[in-house]
Amino acid sequence: AQTVTQSQPEMSVQEAETVTLSCTYDTSESNYYLFWYKQPPSRQMILVIRQEAYKQQNATENRFSVNFQKAAKSFSLKISDSQLGDTAMYFCAFMISIQGAQKLVFGQGTRLTINP
Amino acid sequence: DTEVTQTPKHLVMGMTNKKSLKCEQHMGHRAMYWYKQKAKKPPELMFVYSYEKLSINESVPSRFSPECPNSSLLNLHLHALQPEDSALYLCASSRGGLVNNSPLHFGNGTRLTVT
Repeated sequence: AQTVTQSQPEMSVQEAETVTLSCTYDTSESNYYLFWYKQPPSRQMILVIRQEAYKQQNATENRFSVNFQKAAKSFSLKISDSQLGDTAMYFCAFMISIQGAQKLVFGQGTRLTINP
Repeated sequence: DTEVTQTPKHLVMGMTNKKSLKCEQHMGHRAMYWYKQKAKKPPELMFVYSYEKLSINESVPSRFSPECPNSSLLNLHLHALQPEDSALYLCASSRGGLVNNSPLHFGNGTRLTVT
């Protein structure tokens, strides 16, 4: 079974600071995909960044980057130059393919607040 | 703007009512999903449709009945719900099939309250 653990229920930083959200996972799969989604108060789950397990290079998307450590099964998200609009619930997720579809297994989430 | 549209945004229903949640996407995705999300918790998978066929039912009670009329539409029919079924119901879609790195695209959800 796949499990995802986010050990930080809440975090708070000042605007423009850098913040890192941690995530660990457990799986016996050799090829898989990892995602970070954010859920602002508007409720929509928004894809932030994704990482293929077979790629050693860490994914980056503008101010968002990951530190993917496959051996340690760690997948942390770094947000640089944080903005007020980054305030949201952040979910780390592991994806498996099953029966012609993709199933996401989510961590418990980290509530991130960016303070002015 | 979301590419997955859910209606209604809010729904209040009694335990004897019958109602339906609707979801629509026009991205050509062939996998569609229903998730249930309680407050301050991650989404929990309920159903998955792949190429208009139900492929996963995560042991959801029969008072929830999914339907996929075509590749763009997904419904969730509700009947005889309980107050503990109150939650945010999220619809999602993905390319599906053998494209196994396709991310899920989520709608804004329907906030359901059962009285």
